[in-house]
Amino acid sequence: TQLLEQSPQFLSIQEGENLTVYCNSSSVFSSLQWYRQEPGEGPVLLVTVVTGGEVKKLKRLTFQFGDARKDSSLHITAAQPGDTGLYLCAGAANQGGKLIFGQGTELSVKP
Amino acid sequence: NAGVTQTPKFQVLKTGQSMTLQCAQDMNHEYMSWYRQDPGMGLRLIHYSVGAGITDQGEVPNGYNVSRSTTEDFPLRLLSAAPSQTSVYFCASSYSWVQSSYNEQFFGPGTRLTVL
Repeated sequence: TQLLEQSPQFLSIQEGENLTVYCNSSSVFSSLQWYRQEPGEGPVLLVTVVTGGEVKKLKRLTFQFGDARKDSSLHITAAQPGDTGLYLCAGAANQGGKLIFGQGTELSVKP
Repeated sequence: NAGVTQTPKFQVLKTGQSMTLQCAQDMNHEYMSWYRQDPGMGLRLIHYSVGAGITDQGEVPNGYNVSRSTTEDFPLRLLSAAPSQTSVYFCASSYSWVQSSYNEQFFGPGTRLTVL
């Protein structure tokens, strides 16, 4: 059974701080996605990474796929209250196929 | 485009009752799936479909049935509801399930189900 372990599970920080969320597995994934979910809504895709070592930036968010394609990280610079939400990583084991989701990281950014 | 729609938004059932959660998408996506979301457990795949007439089980299929007679619709049936099925249910679709560049999941707004 493939598992994706996310850490930390909860994160509460002040506006302006930096943070990193980790997504780790012992399995290799062909691609990895990061989603953000707000209360009462479904998750929305932020980014997909497919190449080992790949780095993608989305404004203040930086996503990295590990060289071995077993782990990923999400770094937020100068967090803002609008970044508050549940962040989920999801991996596809084969070329496409079923997505396996991590447990999620609940981020709260206080003004 | 309405995207992915789910009905109802909220539902309360008694143990043993049956019901169907509706899901529809208007994006002509071939891949559709059902997830349940419980606190601290992320999203767990219940059933999925790679096209009309084709369905398969996910991680937690017990107690749920699905069918896919059209590309647009993918209903989830609870035959005999149990308290353990209290959860938030999300339907999702994607253009493809094969190519990583095209497997972004588009999620519906969710159905919050309580089984007493």
